[in-house]
Amino acid sequence: GAVVSQHPSWVICKSGTSVKIECRSLDFQATTMFWYRQFPKQSLMLMATSNEGSKATYEQGVEKDKFLINHASLTLSTLTVTSAHPEDSSFYICSAGLAKGEQYFGPGTRLTVT
Amino acid sequence: SQKIEQNSEALNIQEGKTATLTCNYTNYSPAYLQWYRQDPGRGPVFLLLIRENEKEKRKERLKVTFDTTLKQSLFHITASQPADSATYLCALPTGFQKLVFGTGTRLLVSP
Repeated sequence: GAVVSQHPSWVICKSGTSVKIECRSLDFQATTMFWYRQFPKQSLMLMATSNEGSKATYEQGVEKDKFLINHASLTLSTLTVTSAHPEDSSFYICSAGLAKGEQYFGPGTRLTVT
Repeated sequence: SQKIEQNSEALNIQEGKTATLTCNYTNYSPAYLQWYRQDPGRGPVFLLLIRENEKEKRKERLKVTFDTTLKQSLFHITASQPADSATYLCALPTGFQKLVFGTGTRLLVSP
């Protein structure tokens, strides 16, 4: 149980375009999902908390207008990187939290902006 | 400020030995601590959660200890196998279901 999927697993886009990443909880409902980014050889950095039916909560320093998060249902959260630039190239990972405290992560999405 | 430290240097051990990884934290009083495994290019996988009132927790070949006085957790893998090679992350709660992760320690188990 507690399987989380992400789509796409990798994407290459041109500078200035927008990219949408989907995160789904497959066998459970998640009122709260989290979006992280990870640079090579670094740890996960929390970007935002996605709440079903309400606005996302962004961590300090994360531009909410650049990283749009929508949590439209109990099983789907999306992250849209708007007007992507090469410095946005990273590994983006979502997770869903359970009441007990642990989080279940998606497989991640590798974004490369050229 | 809150800080989590894991040994950034890779830990190299031989197959069959016990691997011990360390997680130290400062300016925290966490109700629990978690350990995750991350393989290259993949999302982390939850391994164990240990609560502040638990000294030790085991799951198959894994053992975690939690010393709230020392502000330290030790993560042990006994009878290690090459398939255990990965990066291991400790994580502490910072809010409702929110976690902050350490930088991780890479474990390399050689046959």
